[in-house]
Amino acid sequence: EVQLLESGGGLVQPGGSLRLSCAASGFTFRSYGMSWVRQAPGKGLEWVSAIGGGGDTTYYADSVKGRFTISRDNSKNTMYLQMNSLRAEDTAVYYCAQVQGGANCYWGQGTLVTVSS
Amino acid sequence: QPVLTQSSSASASLGSSVKLTCTLSSGHSNNIIAWHQQQPGKAPRYLMKLEGSGSYNKGSGLPDRFSGSSSGADRYLTISNLQSEDEADYYCETWDRNTRVFGGGTKLTVL
Repeated sequence: EVQLLESGGGLVQPGGSLRLSCAASGFTFRSYGMSWVRQAPGKGLEWVSAIGGGGDTTYYADSVKGRFTISRDNSKNTMYLQMNSLRAEDTAVYYCAQVQGGANCYWGQGTLVTVSS
Repeated sequence: QPVLTQSSSASASLGSSVKLTCTLSSGHSNNIIAWHQQQPGKAPRYLMKLEGSGSYNKGSGLPDRFSGSSSGADRYLTISNLQSEDEADYYCETWDRNTRVFGGGTKLTVL
């Protein structure tokens, strides 16, 4: 059974940094692309970033480019999202997802990031 | 990049059927999309992947009440024999080489 468990969320001041983790199990982690998707309170889903199975290809939404960095450690079956220069508008629940054939096919339960002074 | 358009809300009676629509922007009418369901307070759940031909591939354990179809740039999710647990937000998603996009979501109310 595919399981994805996010961690690392919390309260951070504007301009601060946070690193999210996504621990994966139940599948061959290195064989799948992964992505981060966020959802601001009361809003819809917004794609944030994606990474290929080998970790050498990365993609970002314009809203986070230059501030967020996606990475993965296939030896630990874990994906990361390093978030710098955080803004109030980054406040959201952050979900990690496994990508199969282009689509986000399995989702984690999410971790809440709140950017506020 | 593609844009996906969804109606903000829909409603239908318990036991009836409903057809939700996701429309792809010009130049992207052949894109494959995915449908996701998000019940209140829960994480999204993948429902199916849907091609422009109308062929679809459902996620594991999804009841037969859920089906997909396509017409031109429109992608549809049909839910038959509506149950109370189908009340949720439904999002479509598409992607190309460098990006992926979600529609704004449709809030389905089961009356």
